Amino acid sequence: KAGVTQTPRYLIKTRGQQVTLSCSPISGHRSVSWYQQTPGQGLQFLFEYFSETQRNKGNFPGRFSGRQFSNSRSEMNVSTLELGDSALYLCASMLAGGREQFFGPGTRLTVL
Amino acid sequence: AQTVTQSQPEMSVQEAETVTLSCTYDTSESDYYLFWYKQPPSRQMILVIRQEAYKQQNATENRFSVNFQKAAKSFSLKISDSQLGDAAMYFCAYRSPGGTASKLTFGTGTRLQVTL
Repeated sequence: KAGVTQTPRYLIKTRGQQVTLSCSPISGHRSVSWYQQTPGQGLQFLFEYFSETQRNKGNFPGRFSGRQFSNSRSEMNVSTLELGDSALYLCASMLAGGREQFFGPGTRLTVL
Repeated sequence: AQTVTQSQPEMSVQEAETVTLSCTYDTSESDYYLFWYKQPPSRQMILVIRQEAYKQQNATENRFSVNFQKAAKSFSLKISDSQLGDAAMYFCAYRSPGGTASKLTFGTGTRLQVTL
């Protein structure tokens, strides 16, 4: 079974631009969560989607948004990029009622 | 809100030796999940081991085992017969139970170095 995939793997943007990251979960997994990893703040939960609905949300500004499609693929959007948004963005999927999350390889976003 | 603390930023172990990574957490919940994830230089987070709070028996996965002390809110990871491939960042994580609470709360991580 294929693992969680994320595209693109690397991205360079400039301040003020917007960006969309994509995550394809493991087949059959309906829950997709997003995390931001930075050296200063560590790993922080952004949000979780389940069956196309946002189920949980972390403490991030409204510039961070997401959505999930009927095939469980998820996208994360960051508008009006700031230098501090430079991070590794990790996506994780989980079975409905599952215990553990399985992570993708991440998207490294650099904001110049 | 739950918090997870890893007080050892870096640890070093010789190949074939045993090392223990520490983790403490704070929660008011009686049931929850605890995890250890490994993040090698490739940055891919890999699940090492899982512990359900309602289980008294400590989880083991091959060379990896945990010491779960629920009353003390402690969850340490023991790596036996350390190998060069064990070198990585190790994160302790907490998750509330229930289908609507998938959020993982992570500690700050411990960087494990394995030497010859």
